[in-house]
Amino acid sequence: AQTVTQSQPEMSVQEAETVTLSCTYDTSESDYYLFWYKQPPSRQMILVIRQEAYKQQNATENRFSVNFQKAAKSFSLKISDSQLGDAAMYFCAYRTDYNQGGKLIFGQGTELSVKP
Amino acid sequence: GAVVSQHPSRVICKSGTSVKIECRSLDFQATTMFWYRQFPKQSLMLMATSNEGSKATYEQGVEKDKFLINHASLTLSTLTVTSAHPEDSSFYICSARHTDLYGYTFGSGTRLTVV
Repeated sequence: AQTVTQSQPEMSVQEAETVTLSCTYDTSESDYYLFWYKQPPSRQMILVIRQEAYKQQNATENRFSVNFQKAAKSFSLKISDSQLGDAAMYFCAYRTDYNQGGKLIFGQGTELSVKP
Repeated sequence: GAVVSQHPSRVICKSGTSVKIECRSLDFQATTMFWYRQFPKQSLMLMATSNEGSKATYEQGVEKDKFLINHASLTLSTLTVTSAHPEDSSFYICSARHTDLYGYTFGSGTRLTVV
């Protein structure tokens, strides 16, 4: 069974600085999708970024980028120029194969605080 | 963009009663929806996968008779918590998978309190 691990329960960053959130996963599949979701205090889940495992190029969305290391099964999220609105819980997620339901398996989450 | 409406956002019920939570995809058809449970400061725990027109698939350890899931149409899935007890108090979130199979939209969640 696939597992997702986020080893940083809490992280803090100064406004305008850069922070990296870690995520590792375990799978025997060769093709899969990985996601980072943001959950602000409203608790609405918001997609931050998505990475297809077959793509070697790291995904980027404005200030958000990932460092995808397939061999190491690592999928970290880098937030550049951090803003106060970035403060939230961040969840790394793995999408299982469609034959297993195509469901998302979430890591434990990292609570990010942004200091002004 | 894809929108999923989840109602109610908050509900308080008495112990022993049942409560229904609705999850509706507003602008796309969702053949598959997922139901999660989340405790404060914790991750989302998948409870079940809901497929339109068929029985839901429950994760190990989730009581099927307590958490009834119905997915009668391509836009609506419901979760009914039967004979609720205080330990069922939690935050419940639904998610609809897009037809491209790679996108997911989440509802805004339901905070259930059983007194």
